[in-house]
Amino acid sequence: AQSVTQLDSQVPVFEEAPVELRCNYSSSVSVYLFWYVQYPNQGLQLLLKYLSGSTLVESINGFEAEFNKSQTSFHLRKPSVHISDTAEYFCAVSESGGGADGLTFGKGTHLIIQP
Amino acid sequence: DTEVTQTPKHLVMGMTNKKSLKCEQHMGHRAMYWYKQKAKKPPELMFVYSYEKLSINESVPSRFSPECPNSSLLNLHLHALQPEDSALYLCASSLKWGRELFFGEGSRLTVL
Repeated sequence: AQSVTQLDSQVPVFEEAPVELRCNYSSSVSVYLFWYVQYPNQGLQLLLKYLSGSTLVESINGFEAEFNKSQTSFHLRKPSVHISDTAEYFCAVSESGGGADGLTFGKGTHLIIQP
Repeated sequence: DTEVTQTPKHLVMGMTNKKSLKCEQHMGHRAMYWYKQKAKKPPELMFVYSYEKLSINESVPSRFSPECPNSSLLNLHLHALQPEDSALYLCASSLKWGRELFFGEGSRLTVL
């Protein structure tokens, strides 16, 4: 079974400042990793994913995440945030071999962008 | 087409009503899911259909009844719900179990 820890429930950041949302996972086997974003009153949208290959993955709107196997982390970063990035961000993990648990979500981090 | 469509977007029902939530995807995904999400919480898995067969039921009360009429459609039938069942109900699909989920916009349910 796998687990995900998002260390910060809330992260306030000023507009145009950089941000890092932290995600650590636990699994005894190889994993897939995902970041989802949820805007108010909407469903979850896949922001980016790591399945295999390059450990640095990027999204179309400037976010990136790096898979670090030794630190079991998949932190999300953006060099300069915008007001429209205000949302809830969920990290998720699954076993790449198709384990019994499917996707396991972290508790989420609320990113608050201050003008 | 990477869209999962859910209807209705909002639903208000009394505890004696019967209603249904509907979900449709045309991505050729063979796994479809129902999740329940309370405010400021991650989604909680309710049901999983794999190749149109119910493969996971996470001990959900029988007042929630899922149905998968075909590979593109997923329904959630609701009957005799309780006020604590008020939540955002999310449908999702994936290529297969354990791969990335594609979510619909959700159905906001209020039980009076």
